[in-house]
Amino acid sequence: EVQLVESGGGLVQPGGSLRLSCSASGFTFSSYAMHWVRQAPGKGLEYVSAISSNGGSTYYADSVKGRFTISRDNSKNTLYLQMSSLRAEDTAVYYCVKSQVPYDFWSRMDVWGQGTTVTVSS
Amino acid sequence: EIVLTQSPGTLSLSPGERATLSCRASQSVSSSYLAWYQQKPGQAPRLLIYGASSRATGIPDRFSGSGSGTDFTLTISRLEPEDFAVYYCQQYGSSTSFGQGTKVEIK
Repeated sequence: EVQLVESGGGLVQPGGSLRLSCSASGFTFSSYAMHWVRQAPGKGLEYVSAISSNGGSTYYADSVKGRFTISRDNSKNTLYLQMSSLRAEDTAVYYCVKSQVPYDFWSRMDVWGQGTTVTVSS
Repeated sequence: EIVLTQSPGTLSLSPGERATLSCRASQSVSSSYLAWYQQKPGQAPRLLIYGASSRATGIPDRFSGSGSGTDFTLTISRLEPEDFAVYYCQQYGSSTSFGQGTKVEIK
């Protein structure tokens, strides 16, 4: 079964840092670009970041550029999102998402994790 | 960045009725790289349609997608109770972006 399991969410103070992890199983992780998408409480989906299958290319939404860093360890089938200088507006459920098409950086997204909740508050 | 605008914001319909959801792009979406997702409360989104009109694996044929260029439509031919949810469009032809969502609620 193809599965993505996020972890690392929690409560953090404004200006703080947090690292999210996403453990992948059931598919050849190293063949797919991966993404982070977030959803603030009661709001729609917001695209956050992407990383190519080999980790050589990355993309960030303007709202997180310079504060978040996406990375992956293909030997561990794990995706990461290092978040720093966190703000109240970063409060959201963060989803780890798999591209459907191998090696395509931009693709539809066919597998979503259950999400991990990040709350930025003092 | 391509901005996607979905309409209406909320659609109030009864089971058995037809639902028509619209997604309009601020620029042409190349190669019809347009997808639709369904999200139910407390759940992650689920891919329904990709390439504007291709159904994802396991998606019932009452769901259909159409359109090209800047105008796309998701149609649910006969609403089942489990179809009441929020629907999002996504373009992945030029970077990527999501629409703001359409909620299909029970009338």
